[in-house]
Amino acid sequence: EVQLVESGGGLVQPGGSLRLSCAASGFTFSSYYMTWVRQAPGKGLEWVANINQDGTEKYYVDSVKGRFTISRDNAKNSLYLQMNSLRAEDTAVYYCARHIRGGVFDPWGQGTLVTVSS
Amino acid sequence: DIQMTQSPSTLSASIGDRVTITCRASQSISSWLAWYRQKPGKAPNLLIYEASSLETGVPSRFSGSGSGTEFTLTISSLQPDDFATYYCQQYNINSGTFGQGTKVEIK
Repeated sequence: EVQLVESGGGLVQPGGSLRLSCAASGFTFSSYYMTWVRQAPGKGLEWVANINQDGTEKYYVDSVKGRFTISRDNAKNSLYLQMNSLRAEDTAVYYCARHIRGGVFDPWGQGTLVTVSS
Repeated sequence: DIQMTQSPSTLSASIGDRVTITCRASQSISSWLAWYRQKPGKAPNLLIYEASSLETGVPSRFSGSGSGTEFTLTISSLQPDDFATYYCQQYNINSGTFGQGTKVEIK
């Protein structure tokens, strides 16, 4: 069974840092682009970042450029999101997802909640 | 950047109703459009890709159409499981912009 499990969320103060992890299983992780998507409380979905199979290509939404870094460790079947200089508007559930069919996201993990507040 | 606009934002319907949701792109995206369903407290699930292709395991009451800048998702006969929020998404290898969502409520 293809499965993605996020971890690392929590409460952090504005300006702080957090590292999210996504553990993948049930498929050949190193063969797929991966992505992070977030959803603020009561709001819609926002794509955050993509990474290619070997980690050499990374793409970000403008609002996180220079603050967030997506990375992966294919030996550990894991995806990461390093989040620095966090702001209140970064408060959201963060989902990891696998790319299939040219950029569609499937499946998604269950999400991990990041709360930025003093 | 490509913007995606869904309408309506909220839709009230009854079991068995035919429901249509519209998604417009700010520029042509060919057929690179997906639809997702998100139930409360859960992650989204893929329904449709490439505008009209039904994902494996998705019930046939779901269908998608359109190309260029205008797209629709149709549910032919609304079921209890379908009261949820639906999102369209334009996608490519570099990004994946979502529409703002359409909430389907019980009438």
